[in-house]
Parts: sequence; structure tokens; C-alpha cells
Amino acid sequence: LAKTTQPISMDSYEGQEVNITCSHNNIATNDYITWYQQFPSQGPRFIIQGYKTKVTNEVASLFIPADRKSSTLSLPRVSLSDTAVYYCLALRGGDSNYQLIWGAGTKLIIKP
Amino acid sequence: EAQVTQNPRYLITVTGKKLTVTCSQNMNHEYMSWYRQDPGLGLRQIYYSMNVEVTDKGDVPEGYKVSRKEKRNFPLILESPSPNQTSLYFCASRAGTGTNSPLHFGNGTRLTVT
Repeated sequence: LAKTTQPISMDSYEGQEVNITCSHNNIATNDYITWYQQFPSQGPRFIIQGYKTKVTNEVASLFIPADRKSSTLSLPRVSLSDTAVYYCLALRGGDSNYQLIWGAGTKLIIKP
Repeated sequence: EAQVTQNPRYLITVTGKKLTVTCSQNMNHEYMSWYRQDPGLGLRQIYYSMNVEVTDKGDVPEGYKVSRKEKRNFPLILESPSPNQTSLYFCASRAGTGTNSPLHFGNGTRLTVT
């Protein structure tokens, strides 16, 4: 099982770019890096997923170096509404119920 | 609108009184799953279903039952709830059975067992 490690909490300010790094030293060849966002009392929401290099969507960018042992979620120009818990997961491709280990995530607090 | 719907959102019950939390998805997803979330423990999988009539245990199945008689519904049953099952519960679904497909979560059911 690929376990991920990320900071417990981070603070930033409105308008700044926020980078959250996740470590996944034991990632397997067919694992995908996936990030979710969770607001209090709501279910996690998919943000972005990648396998290697860089992926960008309307919400965030995901940078994965060649060795894939870490990844960085980048949130451009954050606002107060980006205050949430962010989870990094390694999801295995294929037809299975690869057990997901949801850690405590990174609690991101955006200040005015 | 594509969504996973759980009911009820809040439930307070007493020890031993059977209850069912319903989950329904309108995306024709094969895979559905139940999680519980407790402070400091993250999300833990209770049961999952790869398709109709196919269910299996997750990490913490004790004290829970599920059924999958039709694709859209995946109810969670607590036959004899106990206080240690007080938690925030989430149902999720995804297209296909490939684990790299994004999970879609419901808004949660906060259960309190006294």
C-alpha cells in the first residue's frame, strides 16, 4: 500500500499561491496521484489527478517529478473559500478496490 | 445534476435500535463505498461494492451491513448500534471499477448513538 505524507497544516493569505507537497516514497508503477478537498461537514471533492510531469485544470496544478516520490499541489491566487483540508492519495489503476489510506490531510487556512 | 445523496443528514438514536442510512447515486456508477470519518483517524472504509449483488468488507466492517440490490442504491445498516459507531459517515461512488477514477462523495450523515 502506498502511504502518503503531507504537512498537517499550512497558513497563507488571500491572493497568494499555495503549494502543498506530498511525499509518497513507496508509490507503485501504476499508482496515480490524486488530490481531494474537504470542507467541514461535507464529503471530499476531487480536485486533480496526475501520473507524472504536470497537470493543470481550472482549479489547480499538480507537479510530479520524474521519480514520482513526491508531488506538489499548487493553488493559484487563493481566496478565503479555499480554506479546507486537502488530501493526497495514491490510487492504483486497474480493476480493484485498492485500499485507500486517507491520512489526516493538510488543513489549509487562508487569512484575509 | 450528478450527485450522491445520503439520508438522513443527522441522526440521533439509542443503543441497540436498528437503523438504515440510505445512499443513492444518479450517475450509473458501478462502484459504491461507505466510509466513516473520525477526528484524527481520517476516512476509513467500511464496505464497498463493485457492482450489483457484489459487496465486500473494507477496513472497519464490524457492526455494519450493506446490500446492493440495484445499481443506484447502497444502504448502510446498523443492526444494533453502539456508542462507538457515533461518527460522520460518507457514501461515495465512481465510474467503473478502476481505482484511479475520481470518487464522488455524498454530503455525509452525522450519527450519534447514545
